[in-house]
Amino acid sequence: EAQVTQNPRYLITVTGKKLTVTCSQNMNHEYMSWYRQDPGLGLRQIYYSMNVEVTDKGDVPEGYKVSRKEKRNFPLILESPSPNQTSLYFCASRAFASDRSTDTQYFGPGTRLTVL
Amino acid sequence: KQEVTQIPAALSVPEGENLVLNCSFTDSAIYNLQWFRQDPGKGLTSLLLIQSSQREQTSGRLNASLDKSSGRSTLYIAASQPGDSATYLCAVKGGSEKLVFGKGTKLTVNP
Repeated sequence: EAQVTQNPRYLITVTGKKLTVTCSQNMNHEYMSWYRQDPGLGLRQIYYSMNVEVTDKGDVPEGYKVSRKEKRNFPLILESPSPNQTSLYFCASRAFASDRSTDTQYFGPGTRLTVL
Repeated sequence: KQEVTQIPAALSVPEGENLVLNCSFTDSAIYNLQWFRQDPGKGLTSLLLIQSSQREQTSGRLNASLDKSSGRSTLYIAASQPGDSATYLCAVKGGSEKLVFGKGTKLTVNP
């Protein structure tokens, strides 16, 4: 089954304790992204990657890091989490096609993070 | 800066009714527009994607239209069912690998 998986699904942590949220897709997609969803603000892009070792900032990258060492994985790293990073996080992926026929984005189930 | 607005923020209808959800965007220079469905506590499911060169897309009881010049899209749901209850999000894609989302319309279909 084609899917995007995220782990953990729920996480409660404390300020300053480094954490990683993993994201993996089994569709051999080139593009992967991270979003956060907050009430009243909607979904905002954090980082994206166009392929292995190619990443770039989205709208709200401060306080986050990413890496893309393998095509299927795109982990989100919070080196020193703060309470304002409490949010619902989504990973997404899509394939690349020159005719733009595969622009459909596939989203993971989300990770609800609480930073105390 | 692209901004996406969805009106209404919430909508409650009786089962069987046809309904229209609206999405507007400020910058008409888009590559495509995508409608998603989000169920509580779950991820987003893509419903329809309309390329900038297209006017509409259909899937089952869903029909999405795009008027790029006026910055508008509509999602038409025919013969609504309680299982259609969810939050519907539209998102536009410009030149970069970024989707700009609206805040969504929360739809409730009452039996």
